[in-house]
Amino acid sequence: SAVISQKPSRDICQRGTSLTIQCQVDSQVTMMFWYRQQPGQSLTLIATANQGSEATYESGFVIDKFPISRPNLTFSTLTVSNMSPEDSSIYLCSVGQGGTQYFGPGTRLLVL
Amino acid sequence: LAKTTQPISMDSYEGQEVNITCSHNNIATNDYITWYQQFPSQGPRFIIQGYKTKVTNEVASLFIPADRKSSTLSLPRVSLSDTAVYYCLVVRTSGSARQLTFGSGTQLTVLP
Repeated sequence: SAVISQKPSRDICQRGTSLTIQCQVDSQVTMMFWYRQQPGQSLTLIATANQGSEATYESGFVIDKFPISRPNLTFSTLTVSNMSPEDSSIYLCSVGQGGTQYFGPGTRLLVL
Repeated sequence: LAKTTQPISMDSYEGQEVNITCSHNNIATNDYITWYQQFPSQGPRFIIQGYKTKVTNEVASLFIPADRKSSTLSLPRVSLSDTAVYYCLVVRTSGSARQLTFGSGTQLTVLP
């Protein structure tokens, strides 16, 4: 199974600022996924990131707000831009391997 | 995408068998059913995945009837540490693309 790490594990940010979340996988994967989990809610897919191509965003999420980088097959970043309190959530990185989806520990973000 | 429906919550006692059912009426031929467990402040953890009939591993069993419009996660002899949210996930694999749909999740509370 894939081992996924995320940085930072948590952060408290001021509104209007941006935060970049890093996701590192211990093996090469073609597709990486970014999710958001708002308090008490289920997971919502933000976007899918393939190495060497633009990320594909789900309905309700745009690149200007959540730019994603995928420089190689083991790493990706998600930036939460111009943050507001509504962006307070857990952000999770996920990869598919062998037909199974694995999740990182998440980044807990609080925007004041 | 197949929408999933689960009970919001369930209570059980230690040592009992717990069955959580998920409905996915619009499941497609290429869809697989996957269940995840999530503890507070952690990313979801893969439990089991299946396509049809019965799948069993060291943690749980997954029962899928012939029409595949529902599935049941069975946890044998639960303990207090099994208290968590359980998600039913329909995974569609289509070439290199992967569409993911999370259910609302079932909060399982195991009582002493």
